[in-house]
Amino acid sequence: EAEVAQSPRYKITEKSQAVAFWCDPISGHATLYWYRQILGQGPELLVQFQDESVVDDSQLPKDRFSAERLKGVDSTLKIQPAELGDSAMYLCASSLAGAGAEAFFGQGTRLTVV
Amino acid sequence: AQTVTQSQPEMSVQEAETVTLSCTYDTSESDYYLFWYKQPPSRQMILVIRQEAYKQQNATENRFSVNFQKAAKSFSLKISDSQLGDAAMYFCAYYNYGQNFVFGPGTRLSVLP
Repeated sequence: EAEVAQSPRYKITEKSQAVAFWCDPISGHATLYWYRQILGQGPELLVQFQDESVVDDSQLPKDRFSAERLKGVDSTLKIQPAELGDSAMYLCASSLAGAGAEAFFGQGTRLTVV
Repeated sequence: AQTVTQSQPEMSVQEAETVTLSCTYDTSESDYYLFWYKQPPSRQMILVIRQEAYKQQNATENRFSVNFQKAAKSFSLKISDSQLGDAAMYFCAYYNYGQNFVFGPGTRLSVLP
């Protein structure tokens, strides 16, 4: 069964360091989302891609976060420099580009900034 | 902006009993989709059930069913014959075409043996 792949599963980094997360969506899924989930809360959108184009990055802290999906397939989310408040689960999800299409989630990357 | 509210941070149910999780949302759109996602501990989020707003019939998936009240903007999830494996965080989500999924804060469901 096709799955959304994310790596690493866990990451501990010191504040002010750079960190990167990788996501490989289900093959054929044009839409890719990066969500941040603070423990005990619901996911909040950071950035949405349609193929290689950014559709919505209004909630992405652009002074320190960047995201790319160069060939419209896999994607990388980067934080530089990391801050203590960035500690959270970072979820990647993908979906077909149709109305009401289900979003399939990866297992996430749990980031701890120390 | 659309918002999703789940007023029950935690719920518990006895095994084999029925439980209902509440969700309300705010939107000015008439056509949209609503979802319930389940997030087990340390595992990925998976879809439980989906409802299309233009369909009046409530969606059902085996032991899971919804009560969709469009005018009230309410979308509750009923789990019948609860099983230990149903224990998880449950998130209600709103989706409008061309936009993204907006999630509620979640309800933690415990199933008691």
